[in-house]
Amino acid sequence: GNSVTQMEGPVTLSEEAFLTINCTYTATGYPSLFWYVQYPGEGLQLLLKATKADDKGSNKGFEATYRKETTSFHLEKGSVQVSDSAVYFCALLTGAGTALIFGKGTTLSVSS
Amino acid sequence: KAGVTQTPRYLIKTRGQQVTLSCSPISGHRSVSWYQQTPGQGLQFLFEYFSETQRNKGNFPGRFSGRQFSNSRSEMNVSTLELGDSALYLCASQIELSTEAFFGQGTRLTVV
Repeated sequence: GNSVTQMEGPVTLSEEAFLTINCTYTATGYPSLFWYVQYPGEGLQLLLKATKADDKGSNKGFEATYRKETTSFHLEKGSVQVSDSAVYFCALLTGAGTALIFGKGTTLSVSS
Repeated sequence: KAGVTQTPRYLIKTRGQQVTLSCSPISGHRSVSWYQQTPGQGLQFLFEYFSETQRNKGNFPGRFSGRQFSNSRSEMNVSTLELGDSALYLCASQIELSTEAFFGQGTRLTVV
């Protein structure tokens, strides 16, 4: 079946460090891929998306590239801030009549 | 443009009671999905509505039900509450079925 696997957290970084959160997927066909972020006590916010192979999604300094050959969609940011501390979810959508499938989430903690 | 509005934000109910949660999607969005988030199970899909019809359903017991009104607003109902129903319930708004989802802040349900 379709699934998303994210790296286990928590990820603890100092401010201005480089961030990578790994995400790989298993899916039939050509899914759309998403990263969502959840701040404490809040719902999910769509961070970025990519709908086809080699697409790069970007937003607020975060980037992720849809790699079909490695079935991956790793999240990166060049310089993290304390305000980036949150839980990050990778998700996929395979098409009409389907629901979002989420990874288990990765907690990021950034200290100053 | 207003975002997704979920009410109430917090609820405390007793075992055996029933509860109704409400969701108003983004204006112009015709699809509403519901998800349950718990620390143990992560994000799990409940159901999806489009044009007042349930189009997709997750693997939850019949105690969980929902509906969508002609103005696209949606409600979900949980009857005979159990302690394990304590969770954050998230509503997602989509322009059409199986497109990118925008989430509300969620309703935190605690069953005691």
